Amino acid sequence: EVQLVESGGGLVQPGGSLRLSCAASGFTFSHYWMHWVRQAPGKGLVWVSRINNDGSSTSYADSVEGRVTISRDNAKNTLYLQMNSLRAEDTAVYYCTRDIAATLEWGQGTLVTVSS
Amino acid sequence: SSELTQDPAVSVALGQTVRITCQGDSLRNYYANWYQQKPGQAPVVVIYGKTNRPSGIPDRFSGSSSGNTASLTITGAQAEDEADYYCNSRDRSGNHVFGGGTKVTVL
Repeated sequence: EVQLVESGGGLVQPGGSLRLSCAASGFTFSHYWMHWVRQAPGKGLVWVSRINNDGSSTSYADSVEGRVTISRDNAKNTLYLQMNSLRAEDTAVYYCTRDIAATLEWGQGTLVTVSS
Repeated sequence: SSELTQDPAVSVALGQTVRITCQGDSLRNYYANWYQQKPGQAPVVVIYGKTNRPSGIPDRFSGSSSGNTASLTITGAQAEDEADYYCNSRDRSGNHVFGGGTKVTVL
């Protein structure tokens, strides 16, 4: 059974940092591109970042470019999202997703709240 | 960056048919996927690769596409179909883009 389990969310002050993790199981993690997608409270889904299967290529949404770093450890079957200089508008549930032939398979998400 | 446009909300009588549309330039080159999201839950794919339906998704869900427009049709809507529906596609960089979502209300 495929599982994507996010962790690392929580309450952080504006300007602070947080690292999200996503533990993957049930499939060969190193074969797949991975993405982070977020959803602000009561709002729609927004693509945040992606990384290719070996970590050599990454891409970011304009809204997080320069503040966020996606990475992966294929030996640990884990995806990461390092978020710095957090803003109130970064408050959202962050989903880890697996890219299967351009379709996304989702974890349950982890909530990040940026507030003083 | 590419964008996908959806109507914010639609309603459908129980047992009737509803079609949700999604427009965007990326759909001319890449297939649309459709996700269903119920309150407090993660999205679940209901249609992928334009017309394919994952196992476990009822056959009342179907997809189609023409030009820059993709559609999700629910034929014989049930109460449990009440949810938010998002279209999505990839772009040439391998990134993904989402529509703003359509809230489907079953009356």
